[in-house]
Amino acid sequence: DIQMTQSPTSVSASPGDRVTITCRASQGVSSWLAWYQQKPGKAPKLLIYVASSLQSGVPSRFSGSGSGTDFTLTISSLQPEDFATYYCQQADSFPYTFGQGTKLEIK
Amino acid sequence: QVQLQESGPGLVKPSQTLSLTCTVSGGSISSGGHYWSWIRQVPGKGLEWIGFIYYSGTAYYNPSLKSRVTISVDTSKNQFSLKLNSVTAADTAVYYCASLGYNDRNFDYWGQGTLLTVSS
Repeated sequence: DIQMTQSPTSVSASPGDRVTITCRASQGVSSWLAWYQQKPGKAPKLLIYVASSLQSGVPSRFSGSGSGTDFTLTISSLQPEDFATYYCQQADSFPYTFGQGTKLEIK
Repeated sequence: QVQLQESGPGLVKPSQTLSLTCTVSGGSISSGGHYWSWIRQVPGKGLEWIGFIYYSGTAYYNPSLKSRVTISVDTSKNQFSLKLNSVTAADTAVYYCASLGYNDRNFDYWGQGTLLTVSS
């Protein structure tokens, strides 16, 4: 199985800050990488797919980059509604696997 | 807009079989643009892909669960289902159904999730 490792595990930031979350795959996944946002008690929500494509309806302050084994999710200017847990997920090979999550908290 | 809704018992006894159904609305399971998936999340933990099925009946399972899992589809009811046998407390989780885009390989629509507890 491909292991997905996110860093940091948690991060504290303030509204208006720029935040970057990284995701590293244990082997190359090309661009088959997606990012999800999950709020407590809710299902994950797709933000970014194929590494850098913004899902319809997702604000442009979210962006993704990377290929191969190293990927980043950047939120350019944090809004109060962005405080949540973020997961990466590889779709290069079965079984599809997720990172352990990064919890974004208000400072 | 595709919507998914899980249904099933909230409690299952150890060694029994877990059965969940996902009803799809706002789109047809038979449209061919998606695989229909199950994902679970132990409370407070990460996400685990269980498997998915295409409308034709072709299914793919996570090897870690493959010996205990069956996913089926009923196109006439626009539903797909999960069966997980020989459950233990380790199977206690929130179970989500989701659509997996055929081309982009992302989970684009999700159900709200249903908590399933394994306990005697």
